[in-house]
Amino acid sequence: ILNVEQSPQSLHVQEGDSTNFTCSFPSSNFYALHWYRWETAKSPEALFVMTLNGDEKKKGRISATLNTKEGYSYLYIKGSQPEDSATYLCALSADFNKFYFGSGTKLNVKP
Amino acid sequence: GAGVSQSPSNKVTEKGKDVELRCDPISGHTALYWYRQSLGQGLEFLIYFQGNSAPDKSGLPSDRFSAERTGGSVSTLTIQRTQQEDSAVYLCASSQGLADTDTQYFGPGTRLTVL
Repeated sequence: ILNVEQSPQSLHVQEGDSTNFTCSFPSSNFYALHWYRWETAKSPEALFVMTLNGDEKKKGRISATLNTKEGYSYLYIKGSQPEDSATYLCALSADFNKFYFGSGTKLNVKP
Repeated sequence: GAGVSQSPSNKVTEKGKDVELRCDPISGHTALYWYRQSLGQGLEFLIYFQGNSAPDKSGLPSDRFSAERTGGSVSTLTIQRTQQEDSAVYLCASSQGLADTDTQYFGPGTRLTVL
C-alpha cells in the first residue's frame, strides 16, 4: 500500500492569486503520478501524468512538478479564477495499474 | 466517443436492502475500477479488474460488498444488507490498462443514500 498525503486539505484564495499545493509520498516505489481535478457534481478529470524522470508539466495556467528524490509533487495555479474551484487529487499508479489516491486539496477561488 | 457511464445516478434505499450499481466502461478499456467517496472523505479504492485476471478485491470493506465484470465490459457492484455507513458516492473508472501512465476516466458516479 502506498500512502499519499495532500496538503493543505482546503484552500481559499482571491481571484487573481497564485497558489500551490502539495502531494507527498514516502517512497518512489511507483510508476507514475497523476493529478486530477474534481469539480462539484462532476467526475474527476485527468490534468497531468508524470513519470519518474523529474517531469514538469504545464497546461495553461496550471503546472506541476515532481521531485521523486524528496518525495513530493507540487501543483501550481497562476492567477486563480473562480472556475478553478475544485478538489485536486493526486494519485500514484503502481502494482500494474492500481491507483493510490490522496484525500485531495479543496480549492475555493472567490471572485 | 462515449465516456464511462453509471446507473442509477441516485439511489435511495432502506437499511437492510440489497442494491446493485452498474458501470459501463469505455469500449476497449481492459482495466475497470470502483471507488467510493463518503462525506468529507477522499477516494477509497474498492476493487480493480484487469483483463481476465482475478480481480483485486483488497479494498472491499466487508463481505457484503461484491462486484462482477461480465465479458470484460460491464461491471456491477452489489451491496447486500445495506447499512447507513454505506451511504456515499460510488465512482467507476476505466483505463486502457496497458501502462501505469494510462489515465483513468471516471464516470459520473452513483449517489447512494441508505435511510
